[in-house]
Amino acid sequence: AQKVTQAQTEISVVEKEDVTLDCVYETRDTTYYLFWYKQPPSGELVFLIRRNSFDEQNEISGRYSWNFQKSTSSFNFTITASQVVDSAVYFCALLNYGGSQGNLIFGKGTKLSVKP
Amino acid sequence: GAVVSQHPSRVICKSGTSVKIECRSLDFQATTMFWYRQFPKKSLMLMATSNEGSKATYEQGVEKDKFLINHASLTLSTLTVTSAHPEDSSFYICSARGGAASPLHFGNGTRLTVT
Repeated sequence: AQKVTQAQTEISVVEKEDVTLDCVYETRDTTYYLFWYKQPPSGELVFLIRRNSFDEQNEISGRYSWNFQKSTSSFNFTITASQVVDSAVYFCALLNYGGSQGNLIFGKGTKLSVKP
Repeated sequence: GAVVSQHPSRVICKSGTSVKIECRSLDFQATTMFWYRQFPKKSLMLMATSNEGSKATYEQGVEKDKFLINHASLTLSTLTVTSAHPEDSSFYICSARGGAASPLHFGNGTRLTVT
C-alpha cells in the first residue's frame, strides 16, 4: 500500500518559535520521490522541495530544513524562527514510479498557524 | 521558473449547467497533467491523469462522463464539469510536469460553486 500520513492536523505556534511538521510514508517501491507543498489561504499550491529515495542528505533552505530518514520512512519539515507568513496548510506527498507515470499521493495536510 | 495557469479562479454556476476549467503550462511542454479535487479540510484527491493526445485515466469512483478531460495540446488540458450539481462544489486544482522526473507544478486552483 502507498500512503502518506501527516499525524498533526493543526499546529499553532507563536512567531519566532521553531516548528516541525511530521510526514511518514509507506511504499513498496525502491524508487520514489517525496515532496512538500505549501497551500496558503489563497489556495494555490506552492512547491517547496522534492527529494528522491536515493538521496538521504538533509537539506536546508533559509529557514526551512528537511530531514529524510528511510529507516523510519519519514520526511519531516522544520521551520526555524517561524513567521506569520508561514501560516498555511502544508502537504507532504509521495510519487511512485511503479507504474508508467506515477501518481502523486498526498497526506491530509497540517494546518500551521503562526501567531504574532 | 515553470508556471501553470489555471482559469477561472472562481466560478459560480447553476445546477444542470456545464463549466470548463482550463489548465495551461506557460513555459514548458506538459506531457502529463493531473486533476485534483480538494474537499473542505481534506487532502487533495487525484481525479484523473491526462496525457497529451490520448484519453485520460480516471481514478476509481470518478465519473468519466461527468468530469470530461481533454488534453489537446502539450500546453493545455481542460476539465469540464457537466450537468453540475451542488455536490460538485469544490476546489479543483490541476498540475503539470514536463517529464517523468520533473517536479509537478500546480495551478492556482478553481473554486467551483454550484447553486
